[in-house]
Amino acid sequence: DTAVSQTPKYLVTQMGNDKSIKCEQNLGHDTMYWYKQDSKKFLKIMFSYNNKELIINETVPNRFSPKSPDKAHLNLHINSLELGDSAVYFCASSPGAGGIYFGEGSWLTVV
Amino acid sequence: EDKVVQSPLSLVVHEGDTVTLNCSYEVTNFRSLLWYKQEKKAPTFLFMLTSSGIEKKSGRLSSILDKKELSSILNITATQTGDSAIYLCAVDPSGTYKYIFGTGTRLKVLA
Repeated sequence: DTAVSQTPKYLVTQMGNDKSIKCEQNLGHDTMYWYKQDSKKFLKIMFSYNNKELIINETVPNRFSPKSPDKAHLNLHINSLELGDSAVYFCASSPGAGGIYFGEGSWLTVV
Repeated sequence: EDKVVQSPLSLVVHEGDTVTLNCSYEVTNFRSLLWYKQEKKAPTFLFMLTSSGIEKKSGRLSSILDKKELSSILNITATQTGDSAIYLCAVDPSGTYKYIFGTGTRLKVLA
């Protein structure tokens, strides 16, 4: 059983489209995250939810909107995709003080 | 501004060598430091450090935290080609589990 799973793994789409990435964790953690990793492999936090409440919202364009229907799920919707949105998006979860656990990543390519 | 800096940025060694990777941080209210290894996909958890001077060890890898120097090192002894990866350091800067990552050290081990 995959602890943190996200879909789709690969996504190629045209500029201007809207897309969603879904994430689910079965670890029973209260906190979930979205991180973006650019081509230089720098991991930057985008959002964090704790028990369905948004607790971290970094400087991210309004085109990115997270949604957490319950504490095991955190989805990311992106409107009007731009070339610069091409990256790997990692979902992660955490029990709090015990570190964070990543999903396999979603490779987004905007053409 | 909270910051995590890793050095060196990249490193090439031969099998059997010992390497030391550095992570230094400037954060508001340190809670913990994490080390990850990233090969092709998701970062995988190596160590979590919270107390100064206590070494964490797993096989050929070990790590220690120095809160006075605001830094941590990750040692890998008798390196193998399978150790080739990006090693990431992350710090929780304010006790809010908002983990900030460094830029990573890209390690290549030659046979």
